[in-house]
Amino acid sequence: QVQLQESGPGLVKPSETLSLTCAVSGGSISSSSWWSWVRQPPRKGLEWIGEMYHSGSTNYNPSLKSRVTLSVDKSKNQFSLKMTSVTAADTAVYYCARSGAWPDRLVDSWGQGTLVTVST
Amino acid sequence: DIVMTQSPDSLAVSLGERATITCKSSQSVLYSSNNENYLAWYQQKPGQPPKVVIYWASTRKSGVPDRFSGSGSGTDFTLTINNLQAEDVAIYYCQQYYSPPLTFGGGTKVEIK
Repeated sequence: QVQLQESGPGLVKPSETLSLTCAVSGGSISSSSWWSWVRQPPRKGLEWIGEMYHSGSTNYNPSLKSRVTLSVDKSKNQFSLKMTSVTAADTAVYYCARSGAWPDRLVDSWGQGTLVTVST
Repeated sequence: DIVMTQSPDSLAVSLGERATITCKSSQSVLYSSNNENYLAWYQQKPGQPPKVVIYWASTRKSGVPDRFSGSGSGTDFTLTINNLQAEDVAIYYCQQYYSPPLTFGGGTKVEIK
């Protein structure tokens, strides 16, 4: 099973861009997998942000689509999340995750998560 | 989007007793071509990422104790924890992976009475 590790700034100012990276180990990012981001505001539930296949195909949560961009760096075996115009409502633990390709789309591997706080 | 509705929000169960959580999806997550329900149950403990306990609605993930079981099809699903143990205290989420956006239920907090 792959291991995933998120990294990025823990503090972002309102209206700025949140950028996170997920390093993949124990497997190739070019395998038959979708690479996802999920977030969890403090003391709240889970919200799926979006996913990307190594070919460049993406699926986004419509509620965030206008502000989110996912990308993959095959040379570094990692994938990234950029979210623009952040507000305090974007404060959350951000998880990167992996799911299989169709028909097995279970999200079965998760990073440990990284807390991002949006504040001045 | 497929909306997932879980109940109850929380429940307190005595050690050794049964916990039952229900999950309803706003549309069927049964894929007719392979007759699989694209429904998973996750367990999340404080400070940890979610962990799969049940997938395909009723298949226990390897290493998960057999006191955990899942049932249901189409739009109505249940997670049952028999013989509740102290280590089962957690928040449980259902999730559909039938179609993006993947969506989660609101979570059910299971505690010891």
